[in-house]
Amino acid sequence: AQSVTQLGSHVSVSEGALVLLRCNYSSSVPPYLFWYVQYPNQGLQLLLKYTTGATLVKGINGFEAEFKKSETSFHLTKPSAHMSDAAEYFCAVSDSGGGADGLTFGKGTHLIIQP
Amino acid sequence: GAGVSQSPSNKVTEKGKDVELRCDPISGHTALYWYRQSLGQGLEFLIYFQGNSAPDKSGLPSDRFSAERTGGSVSTLTIQRTQQEDSAVYLCASSFSFAGANVLTFGAGSRLTVL
Repeated sequence: AQSVTQLGSHVSVSEGALVLLRCNYSSSVPPYLFWYVQYPNQGLQLLLKYTTGATLVKGINGFEAEFKKSETSFHLTKPSAHMSDAAEYFCAVSDSGGGADGLTFGKGTHLIIQP
Repeated sequence: GAGVSQSPSNKVTEKGKDVELRCDPISGHTALYWYRQSLGQGLEFLIYFQGNSAPDKSGLPSDRFSAERTGGSVSTLTIQRTQQEDSAVYLCASSFSFAGANVLTFGAGSRLTVL
């Protein structure tokens, strides 16, 4: 069984400040990890994913995330927030063992950018 | 098509009525997923199709929910005798093959409001 915990349902940062969205997971097998972003009235869009190899993963729009196995974490960061980053962000885990559960998502973090 | 298409985008219905939600996945994507997104609840996995087959229907919330997929393409999610707690955004996603490391492409969703 897998689960995802996103700390903070709402995160507010100033424009130009560091963005840090936290994600912790549990998985009985090596996980595949994803971050998706959802803009208002739109579907989810992939930001980045970790499968194997390099633990620091770079995604679109300047976002990156680091897989830390010892901490079971996959936190999302961006050095400098932009107003257009305001959206809902979802962390997700997939079972690399091939289970039929699709992706398991966290409850999401709403990112607010203050001007 | 170029993306995952869902219809209707918005549906308002009266309690007790039946509704059908349609998903047209990306051409060539064999895997199709339905999720339910409720306010503050994140994404709840409902059902997954590989081709026309759904190996596990246990994620459907009740026996009022059913889903089918024909021709390995379009899928329909049917909710019978709708209840107010069914109000949510229903998201469809497709991928080239079963999740694992594959990226899910999401539609914009069908927003269901049960009065």
